[in-house]
Amino acid sequence: DTEVTQTPKHLVMGMTNKKSLKCEQHMGHRAMYWYKQKAKKPPELMFVYSYEKLSINESVPSRFSPECPNSSLLNLHLHALQPEDSALYLCASSQDGNQPQHFGDGTRLSIL
Amino acid sequence: ILNVEQSPQSLHVQEGDSTNFTCSFPSSNFYALHWYRWETAKSPEALFVMTLNGDEKKKGRISATLNTKEGYSYLYIKGSQPEDSATYLCAFLSGGSYIPTFGRGTSLIVHP
Repeated sequence: DTEVTQTPKHLVMGMTNKKSLKCEQHMGHRAMYWYKQKAKKPPELMFVYSYEKLSINESVPSRFSPECPNSSLLNLHLHALQPEDSALYLCASSQDGNQPQHFGDGTRLSIL
Repeated sequence: ILNVEQSPQSLHVQEGDSTNFTCSFPSSNFYALHWYRWETAKSPEALFVMTLNGDEKKKGRISATLNTKEGYSYLYIKGSQPEDSATYLCAFLSGGSYIPTFGRGTSLIVHP
């Protein structure tokens, strides 16, 4: 079982829908990450939160909106997504760069 | 943009074969290198965190070496088993950063 829990595991939504992806960890890690991963490509960093503050936003479109309500939770709010946004969305956490990232199982997102 | 290359892209071996693959990264401003194993339908799992030039790490039949001066790391698997089939990702971190840059991965398939 992974120590980083992501919900839902699968999500199908239309382009006009609003939905949220959730990520939770209880390891006391202070950095949390959202990645987008498409087939046969490496995970692509989207956002990084450090000590509950957004520290990195890799030029992600505004239809993706991250939120970190507390040190254990990370959300990704989705609105008006495009078909090309269909991908696996991975959440990860780490204590620092000398420690590896712990990944969740991901949410498989399909946009109709 | 940091250039992290992994080769080969994919590898098919027979059960019992030993194999190795490479991760190349910038040789300047090195902080850490992480290796992950990513099995289908599971989350990436950390194998090794390597921080010092000349580091050698071992976990069962899997080992890794690090050369920060020339910018490469090798991952070795001795006596491959079908359960070793996975994508092996390396992630490079520079200059005290907790932000990894992932390679595209090496997909290993071990045939019984």
